[in-house]
Amino acid sequence: QSALTQPASVSGSPGQSITISCTGTSSDVGGYNFVSWYQHNPGKAPKLMMYDVANRPSGVSNRFSGSKSGNTASLTISGLQAEDEADYYCSSYTSSSTVVFGGGTKLTVL
Amino acid sequence: EVQLLESGGGLVQSGGSLRLSCATSGFTFTNYAMSWVRQAPGKGLEWVSGITGNGLTTYYPDSVKGRFTISRDNSKNTLYLQVNSLRAEDTATYYCANGVRFLDYWGQGAQVTVSS
Repeated sequence: QSALTQPASVSGSPGQSITISCTGTSSDVGGYNFVSWYQHNPGKAPKLMMYDVANRPSGVSNRFSGSKSGNTASLTISGLQAEDEADYYCSSYTSSSTVVFGGGTKLTVL
Repeated sequence: EVQLLESGGGLVQSGGSLRLSCATSGFTFTNYAMSWVRQAPGKGLEWVSGITGNGLTTYYPDSVKGRFTISRDNSKNTLYLQVNSLRAEDTATYYCANGVRFLDYWGQGAQVTVSS
């Protein structure tokens, strides 16, 4: 099972919007609406930011939104804030009843 | 408050074995599937196992199948990961997490270092 493909890094200025893409195959991202996104700061536990493509857990800012088209899912952060700077990972349930993560994207707030 | 606390990590020689534990509280453990996820130094997250709430079904990626065994004791609200035939590439921080399809809550992680 190959890792999902994410850009290594993205950046934006405070107040701007950014989008992180996550590309898989029809056996994972494209086959199920079971894509989730995690925010990870070094030394801390990862935090669930989005599940089942576009559902926000309680307590996650509505500045975060998710979508999917075909084999590519996306996480958009609007009104970028300094506290959003972190690593972001997508993951998907797969046809093998396993879970696969993306390689991670480092978000820098300029 | 949901809490997950990993233990059992440490320094182990190549070829050795280790059992990680994850003590949980704050939710009805038996109602939830659970997972283990690891992060090697400088690398991304890698899901390494999952188990259903009743413990009857387990899931592994091909990369660890045959060496890793996930289990749970619902009477103790505790999740386990047995890791055998350890290799240098198993050096990582190992996290337990609530769920499989999506991972709701995570522990702080247990460090495993494999020395040659």
